[in-house]
Amino acid sequence: DAEITQSPRHKITETGRQVTLACHQTWNHNNMFWYRQDLGHGLRLIHYSYGVQDTNKGEVSDGYSVSRSNTEDLPLTLESAASSQTSVYFCASSESPGGPYNEQFFGPGTRLTVL
Amino acid sequence: GIQVEQSPPDLILQEGANSTLRCNFSDSVNNLQWFHQNPWGQLINLFYIPSGTKQNGRLSATTVATERYSLLYISSSQTTDSGVYFCAVPSGGSNYKLTFGKGTLLTVNP
Repeated sequence: DAEITQSPRHKITETGRQVTLACHQTWNHNNMFWYRQDLGHGLRLIHYSYGVQDTNKGEVSDGYSVSRSNTEDLPLTLESAASSQTSVYFCASSESPGGPYNEQFFGPGTRLTVL
Repeated sequence: GIQVEQSPPDLILQEGANSTLRCNFSDSVNNLQWFHQNPWGQLINLFYIPSGTKQNGRLSATTVATERYSLLYISSSQTTDSGVYFCAVPSGGSNYKLTFGKGTLLTVNP
């Protein structure tokens, strides 16, 4: 079955370290997204991609970067982790069919703690 | 950007009760999704409902796009319905990026 996976599921790191969170989908979806979820804020969009070599900033992109070298993967990098980036991170994907149908499907999430 | 407001923020029910959750949005949209986040944190797709009414078992949803709201109905609630319910709509002039409401925390007691 097609799915979307994230790794690691849990990560503890130290302030200032570079961290990369992986996201892999097997639906062959063009669109991929990264969100963070924090108490009181719901889910907020960090970065997104509409296809290979395409990346765009979302609502809360400072301190994060992404790259899209193939359809299946959109890794999220924290260049220099800060305590404010302690959060739960969700990856999502959707089709880009040219029509209106673009339901997003979410991965299981990565819980990141920055000490 | 588009604003999404959900109500109520918290809801406590006894098992077997019915409930209605509401999602208001500030601008015209051409799609809307409802999600359930279970106590383990997993986001589960409930409905993709740009307009009209859909039903899936004990859950149903109605979106009235012209009036900028959507309703999620839960009938005969069960303890497994507990969790946070989110609605999300497209934002930033795109069909693909989603803006989420802050959710409704539902607790169903046995």
